[in-house]
Amino acid sequence: GEDVEQSLFLSVREGDSSVINCTYTDSSSTYLYWYKQEPGAGLQLLTYIFSNMDMKQDQRLTVLLNKKDKHLSLRIADTQTGDSAIYFCAEESGGGADGLTFGKGTHLIIQP
Amino acid sequence: KAGVTQTPRYLIKTRGQQVTLSCSPISGHRSVSWYQQTPGQGLQFLFEYFSETQRNKGNFPGRFSGRQFSNSRSEMNVSTLELGDSALYLCASSGGTGPGSTDTQYFGPGTRLTVL
Repeated sequence: GEDVEQSLFLSVREGDSSVINCTYTDSSSTYLYWYKQEPGAGLQLLTYIFSNMDMKQDQRLTVLLNKKDKHLSLRIADTQTGDSAIYFCAEESGGGADGLTFGKGTHLIIQP
Repeated sequence: KAGVTQTPRYLIKTRGQQVTLSCSPISGHRSVSWYQQTPGQGLQFLFEYFSETQRNKGNFPGRFSGRQFSNSRSEMNVSTLELGDSALYLCASSGGTGPGSTDTQYFGPGTRLTVL
């Protein structure tokens, strides 16, 4: 079945770049997503990438997609304390017919 | 545009009871999906409703059900609650144009259900 894997924790210094990695399994996924969840809150859509793209940049966020290796990454430039949250990678399951399949989330910890 | 709203935000029930959660999608969105989030299992897809019909369903027992009204608002019901049903229940709305399109899901803040 579909599975999305992420590291559970990432610790970076304020001002550095954060790179959160994800591997997915459903090759029929047309879109791949990154969501952010702050404590006590729902999921906030950060960005998404179409499967025929290699890279997408949106202000401080850069998404890289290696479709051959089914590897997705999210780079956050100039990481700030407000970026502290859990970041979820998600793929469309069954081509989107089975909702989104999420990774377990990566806790991004910012060190001053 | 107002975002996705969910009510109530917090709920405490006891085992064996039933519960109904409500979700109002973004205006104009016709699809509502429900997810369960727990520390152990993470985020899991429950079901999706589009135009008052259940279009897709995840791997959950029949105690979990839902419905959608003509104004696209959706309710989710869990009967005969078990301790393991304690979770954050998230609702997401989208245009409902289907997979392979820019049919991005926007999530509400969730309902935190605690079963004692």
